[in-house]
Amino acid sequence: DAGVTQSPTHLIKTRGQQVTLRCSPKSGHDTVSWYQQALGQGPQFIFQYYEEEERQRGNFPDRFSGHQFPNYSSELNVNALLLGDSALYLCASRPDSNRAGELFFGEGSRLTVL
Amino acid sequence: GIQVEQSPPDLILQEGANSTLRCNFSDSVNNLQWFHQNPWGQLINLFYIPSGTKQNGRLSATTVATERYSLLYISSSQTTDSGVYFCAVTSNAGKSTFGDGTTLTVKP
Repeated sequence: DAGVTQSPTHLIKTRGQQVTLRCSPKSGHDTVSWYQQALGQGPQFIFQYYEEEERQRGNFPDRFSGHQFPNYSSELNVNALLLGDSALYLCASRPDSNRAGELFFGEGSRLTVL
Repeated sequence: GIQVEQSPPDLILQEGANSTLRCNFSDSVNNLQWFHQNPWGQLINLFYIPSGTKQNGRLSATTVATERYSLLYISSSQTTDSGVYFCAVTSNAGKSTFGDGTTLTVKP
């Protein structure tokens, strides 16, 4: 049973560039959430996708956008990168049949913006 | 939104000691989870515990939902227990909020 998988694991970008991060949910899960974790802090909720639509959003600017595909995989896009976007980006999945169900996380994508 | 506070922020123990980590939350929740984050950033699921008590080896957790807190107990700590422990709660709307974590260091 494959868990949540994310790619790439590490990447380096420069200010002003754009980045796309990818996530495949755990088998049987159809709801995907993205989190940003800055150094020394807890993960912060960015948004959640279900049925290819953004269902919930945290306090992040419009530079952060996402997409969910029919196979439930998801992408996180960040435009006009800032130095402060450097962080670990985590993807989590759960089955929507249980909105309070257990969250499972991928290993994350570590983004460095120079 | 829901506020989550974890205490203590840092904890240093000698191997073999016991510890208790606390998580307070500000509103009713549908779900509470405890995670251990390894040095590579992976969040490892420890407990899914909206209420009640669960045990898994040397670790156990108790959530008292009516009083809005949860406790994570680590007994006979080992150096491999070192790392950051996070509590996360899920609201009725399905949004999950994390605390800032407790950094545990177990010395040999």
